[in-house]
Amino acid sequence: GAVVSQHPSRVICKSGTSVKIECRSLDFQATTMFWYRQFPKQSLMLMATSNEGSKATYEQGVEKDKFLINHASLTLSTLTVTSAHPEDSSFYICSARVRDRAYNEQFFGPGTRLTVL
Amino acid sequence: GENVEQHPSTLSVQEGDSAVIKCTYSDSASNYFPWYKQELGKRPQLIIDIRSNVGEKKDQRIAVTLNKTAKHFSLHITETQPEDSAVYFCAARDGNYGQNFVFGPGTRLSVLP
Repeated sequence: GAVVSQHPSRVICKSGTSVKIECRSLDFQATTMFWYRQFPKQSLMLMATSNEGSKATYEQGVEKDKFLINHASLTLSTLTVTSAHPEDSSFYICSARVRDRAYNEQFFGPGTRLTVL
Repeated sequence: GENVEQHPSTLSVQEGDSAVIKCTYSDSASNYFPWYKQELGKRPQLIIDIRSNVGEKKDQRIAVTLNKTAKHFSLHITETQPEDSAVYFCAARDGNYGQNFVFGPGTRLSVLP
């Protein structure tokens, strides 16, 4: 149980385009999902916390108008990178907290590698 | 906010030896400390965790110790195997009401056959 999927796994796009990444909890309800960015050989940096039915909470330095997060249901959160530029190229990983389970647990998706040309 | 430091950044051990990775945290209100293993290009996987009311926890070859007074916790891997080679991240759950994990910078462990 507690499987998190992400789609797509890889995406290559041209500079200026927008890219949407989906994060789904497959066999549980996730009241909270987290979006991280990971640069090569670096740690996971939290971008935002997404609660179902409310606005996402962004970390300092993360532009909310550039990284649009929507958490429309208890099983789906989306991250849209708007007007992507090469510096946005990174590994984006979501994680989800299991509803009604030990509040500490987070389960990670497989990640999406974004390359902006 | 919480700040997590991790040492060493890289660690090489011979197969069968033990490996120890240490982390320190800054927020005394943090009360949950997971350890994740991440293989290249894959998702982080939880390998062990510890809550602040426990000083030590073991799971087969893996153990974690926590010193709340000193605000540090360590991962111990015994009888290392080549498949233990990966990047290991420690994390701390921030604050009294925080949901977020703050991750350490990671340790690249190489187990040499």
